[in-house]
Amino acid sequence: DVVLTQTPPTLSATIGQSVSISCRSSQSLLHSNGNTYLHWLLQRPGQSPQLLIYLVSRLESGVPNRFSGSGSGTDFTLKISGVEAEDLGVYYCVQGTHAPNTFGAGTKLELK
Amino acid sequence: EVQLVESGGGLVQPGRSLKLSCLASGFTFSNYGMNWIRQAPGKGLEWVASISSSSSYIYYADTVKGRFTISRDNAKNTLYLQMTSLRSEDTALYYCARRPPFDYWGQGVMVTVSS
Repeated sequence: DVVLTQTPPTLSATIGQSVSISCRSSQSLLHSNGNTYLHWLLQRPGQSPQLLIYLVSRLESGVPNRFSGSGSGTDFTLKISGVEAEDLGVYYCVQGTHAPNTFGAGTKLELK
Repeated sequence: EVQLVESGGGLVQPGRSLKLSCLASGFTFSNYGMNWIRQAPGKGLEWVASISSSSSYIYYADTVKGRFTISRDNAKNTLYLQMTSLRSEDTALYYCARRPPFDYWGQGVMVTVSS
């Protein structure tokens, strides 16, 4: 199975600070059809996960544009340009290129 | 508004069975693949099973293969997960989620396997 390694496991930030989370895959996530099925989710405390970014860099409807995704192959990054209080929680990357779907272990974003 | 509502969880003894349901609304259920994803207490997310829109394609995580069965009834807009031979390590909050990229999630239903 594809292993997704997220770093850092915990991130402390102040409001307004820009932060990045890395997701590294054990295999290239470029599918033979040309798509890269790497997505980002946020799970706020006590809530279900929600989709933020799909296909590496596409912003899900309703998600603020301070969130952005980038990367290719095996290395991917989620960036938050100006953390807000509502952004606190655990961020997961998930891949769907290779069966089975696998999730990263998560990165917890806390207030400093 | 898309809604996914899970039900059927509870406390069950090891070796017993339980069937979860996920009632969908706000979209054409029969057009979408669906998934079960679980989260053990204090842990991360684990994909469990997926089913295509017409049930033609079904996949399971190795950890549940042979014990869990995913199914759907498009006439009832409902997704199911039949769980048998339950183990303590199956204790988790079980979510249904719509297709990859998992754009909609239910609120989750708790399954506790304990004697």
